[in-house]
Parts: sequence; structure tokens; C-alpha cells
Amino acid sequence: AQSVTQPDIHITVSEGASLELRCNYSYGATPYLFWYVQSPGQGLQLLLKYFSGDTLVQGIKGFEAEFKRSQSSFNLRKPSVHWSDAAEYFCAVGQFSGGYNKLIFGAGTRLAVHP
Amino acid sequence: NAGVTQTPKFQVLKTGQSMTLQCAQDMNHNSMYWYRQDPGMGLRLIYYSASEGTTDKGEVPNGYNVSRLNKREFSLRLESAAPSQTSVYFCASRSRDRVQPQHFGDGTRLSIL
Repeated sequence: AQSVTQPDIHITVSEGASLELRCNYSYGATPYLFWYVQSPGQGLQLLLKYFSGDTLVQGIKGFEAEFKRSQSSFNLRKPSVHWSDAAEYFCAVGQFSGGYNKLIFGAGTRLAVHP
Repeated sequence: NAGVTQTPKFQVLKTGQSMTLQCAQDMNHNSMYWYRQDPGMGLRLIYYSASEGTTDKGEVPNGYNVSRLNKREFSLRLESAAPSQTSVYFCASRSRDRVQPQHFGDGTRLSIL
């Protein structure tokens, strides 16, 4: 069965420091991968997505992610974190079955940013 | 730019009461979804609708029913609410194009006492 693992429940970084959030997936075919961000009390906003092609994808707010098939990973990175990046981040894999599209989410990583 | 609109935003129920959560999208999307979000568990799919007139169970459908009223609207009903259904509920929608992502509403925070 498809699954997504985010090994880090909480991460704390200092403002201006670099960030890497880990995501590992289990999927039989070429995965469609997503990162979403959720600010407190808000819905989920798409940061970036990977479907095919270049394994390094750029997203909004200065985020990028790299798809590594050999490691079944899709880690999210940002070179310099801003206080406004404090939020919860979700990795998801798209599952297609009979024309239906469903998302399998990881449990999320909550990011805290110290000034 | 409404996108996906959920009502209500907050609700408190007593055990055994019924409730319908409403969701509407204005993006002409074919597919709609209902998720619940619980601490440490990410989002889990309750029901989804690939197109108007069709609905299917997701990962955690027990205790819920859905109605795809038309292309725009997809409601979630709790017939007899239980404390285990205390959660944040999200509605999402997506176009038919398989490379397009799901778009989410801001959620309904539901507490059942």
C-alpha cells in the first residue's frame, strides 16, 4: 500500500538558517509528489509538485524539493528561513486508480522559527 | 477569488446530534474530497467524488455520509455525532487534469462533547 513518512514531527530552526524537511514515500509506480503548507487556522496551500522531468522542482516562497527515486525521497529545502515560514508542512503522494486521484498524506512536520 | 468555501468554520455538537458540513467550489472542478485532520495523523480521506453523481469511500468513511449535490457542492453529514469525530474537516477540489493538484478550503473545526 502507498504510504508517506515524515520522520520529523517537530523541527526548530533559527531565522536565516537553512532548512530541510524529510519525506519518504512508498509507491509502486512513478509517483506524483506534493508539498503543502498549513499556517495556523488555515487550509493547505500548495508549495510545489513533482510529476516528471527535472528532479529538482522550485516552488513558491523560495522553497525547492528534490526527487530521488533511489532513496524514495522528496525532501523540501529552503536556503534561508523567515519567521513567517513557521507552519506545518505536509508531504503527499498522488494515487491514481481508475481515473480517480487521491492524495496520501504524511503526518506532517511542524516548523518553529526562532528569531 | 473564493476557491473552496466551507461552512461553518466552527461547530460544537453534543453526542448523538446530526450535522451537515457544506463545501462549495467555484473553479469548475470535477473532483471533490472530504478529509479529516487529527494531530499526528496528517489528513485522512473520508469520501471523494470524481464527478457529479458519483461518490466513493476513502480511508475512514464510517459514521459519515456524503452528497454531491451538483458540480459545485459536496456535503458531508454526520448522522449521529460521536466524540471520536472531533476533528478538523477539510474539503478539497481538483480538475480532471491528472497533473493538477487539489485545492483546499480553510476547514471546519468540529467539537463533539
